[in-house]
Amino acid sequence: AQKITQTQPGMFVQEKEAVTLDCTYDTSDQSYGLFWYKQPSSGEMIFLIYQGSYDEQNATEGRYSLNFQKARKSANLVISASQLGDSAMYFCAMRPNTGNQFYFGTGTSLTVIP
Amino acid sequence: NAGVTQTPKFQVLKTGQSMTLQCAQDMNHEYMSWYRQDPGMGLRLIHYSVGAGITDQGEVPNGYNVSRSTTEDFPLRLLSAAPSQTSVYFCASSYTEYSGNTIYFGEGSWLTVV
Repeated sequence: AQKITQTQPGMFVQEKEAVTLDCTYDTSDQSYGLFWYKQPSSGEMIFLIYQGSYDEQNATEGRYSLNFQKARKSANLVISASQLGDSAMYFCAMRPNTGNQFYFGTGTSLTVIP
Repeated sequence: NAGVTQTPKFQVLKTGQSMTLQCAQDMNHEYMSWYRQDPGMGLRLIHYSVGAGITDQGEVPNGYNVSRSTTEDFPLRLLSAAPSQTSVYFCASSYTEYSGNTIYFGEGSWLTVV
């Protein structure tokens, strides 16, 4: 069974600090993609970062990095130097190479405190 | 640079009414899909298509119908609206169904069934 688990319903971080949002996944596929999306209060889903299951290096995109630990099946999002505009819901997602489906976690609500 | 366009953005329906949510993409993506987002449940796949003329069911297909007559368009039809279909609906597309392809979302459609 394919499953994404985000255990932190809500997180708070001080502005300019770093924060880690947790994500674990379960899949029997050998090839899969891991994604993080941001959903601000306006509602749209914004793609942040991608990690392939065979990528040896952790993905980075500006202030976002993905801490990929394949053996532990975890794909945590790290946001460095938090900004007020980072306050949003964050969703972890997995796309196996079979099944034609994205699987989403239930999301983590991040609040950045000035 | 339109990307994925959904209409309408907001809709109120009475129980038993039918309606169509429109989705169009201008990125020549083969894969298109519809998700619904409910509080605490993340996003769940309703239907998807891997190309014109090909559609398949996702996790929660009951009460919905789709068709894909062109690469660009993927409308979602609610056959007889029920209050349980009150949700936020997202259309999403990607280049192919391959696990490494990022999925891009429309801005969402807020549907209330009374």
